[in-house]
Amino acid sequence: GQQLNQSPQSMFIQEGEDVSMNCTSSSIFNTWLWYKQDPGEGPVLLIALYKAGELTSNGRLTAQFGITRKDSFLNISASIPSDVGIYFCAGTGTYKYIFGTGTRLKVLA
Amino acid sequence: DVKVTQSSRYLVKRTGEKVFLECVQDMDHENMFWYRQDPGLGLRLIYFSYDVKMKEKGDIPEGYSVSREKKERFSLILESASTNQTSMYLCASCQRSYNEQFFGPGTRLTVL
Repeated sequence: GQQLNQSPQSMFIQEGEDVSMNCTSSSIFNTWLWYKQDPGEGPVLLIALYKAGELTSNGRLTAQFGITRKDSFLNISASIPSDVGIYFCAGTGTYKYIFGTGTRLKVLA
Repeated sequence: DVKVTQSSRYLVKRTGEKVFLECVQDMDHENMFWYRQDPGLGLRLIYFSYDVKMKEKGDIPEGYSVSREKKERFSLILESASTNQTSMYLCASCQRSYNEQFFGPGTRLTVL
């Protein structure tokens, strides 16, 4: 099935650093979602975006719905060790969710 | 707090066994989904349901069937389990408007 392009694939950062990742699509979406998944667990919804240009925050997380409706960005500020995990995006237009390939984040204390 | 629950976190079955995976959501969502997640392949949609007794095939329905007799419950059935069905199975649900989709904790199935 189709997957969204997500970058970077993985990143190692120092505790306290800011993190940015993005997701791009060839299709237009009406909704962008960002999830975090810990090993052996189900994905947990972090942020939902519904409007082109929308910027939404959830604590240290900020996500944006791209103006073209074909991309989205997630920023994590002042990373902490518990931010480690896999982050992935999802977009939906009508009846199906398309998922990103995931960004594996490792935080070095 | 919204919740999607799955009947088992870990299952070990033998080849040829019939396997039932149960999913329950308490959010009164119309849509429910079954995915499998494998390293390097991401999340792949097996089946989804948009109403009671309704079901639609996803991208990889072969070897699976589903049942939705009640709005809150969506079951995935492996009629005759095979080793290539060893995977992490994730249930999810969302409203009819397809906005936020919530996942369950997953079932790690191993078929020997």
